[in-house]
Amino acid sequence: GNSVTQMEGPVTLSEEAFLTINCTYTATGYPSLFWYVQYPGEGLQLLLKATKADDKGSNKGFEATYRKETTSFHLEKGSVQVSDSAVYFCALSGGYNKLIFGAGTRLAVHP
Amino acid sequence: DVKVTQSSRYLVKRTGEKVFLECVQDMDHENMFWYRQDPGLGLRLIYFSYDVKMKEKGDIPEGYSVSREKKERFSLILESASTNQTSMYLCASPPRTSGNPGDTQYFGPGTRLTVL
Repeated sequence: GNSVTQMEGPVTLSEEAFLTINCTYTATGYPSLFWYVQYPGEGLQLLLKATKADDKGSNKGFEATYRKETTSFHLEKGSVQVSDSAVYFCALSGGYNKLIFGAGTRLAVHP
Repeated sequence: DVKVTQSSRYLVKRTGEKVFLECVQDMDHENMFWYRQDPGLGLRLIYFSYDVKMKEKGDIPEGYSVSREKKERFSLILESASTNQTSMYLCASPPRTSGNPGDTQYFGPGTRLTVL
């Protein structure tokens, strides 16, 4: 069945460091891929998405490229800020818009 | 501005109680979902509904039921709460019933349920 695997956290970085959170998936067909973010005390919100192979999603300085050949959708940001501290979830779409989530990666950014 | 609201942010119940979690969306969406979020497990789908009075089991429906009497409201019911149902519950709704896999899901703020 479909599944998503993302790197375990927590990830702890200093401000302005480079961020990579790895995400790989297993799926039949051609799902859309998403990164959702959950800030402390809040629900999930969409960070970025890509709907087909080689698409790059980007938002707020974050980027991820849909790589069909490696079944990956790694999240990157060139320079993180303290305000980026949150839990990040990689997800893929199933039928009826169902989302299949990874376990989540907690990011802590220190000044 | 899209909006998904949940009836409570925090809830404490006792084992064996019947628990109702309410979710309301004001976007006229057909699809609505209930997930539970647990550390290290991400979000797992409990039930979803693609129309009024329609429901489908997700990946972990045991111990739960749902009700969708009106389009805007989707209720999750714990028939007899147990301690292993202590979790964060998130409601979500995508904009279209067409099943466009690129559709964004809009999430409510979550209800943190503790069962004692």
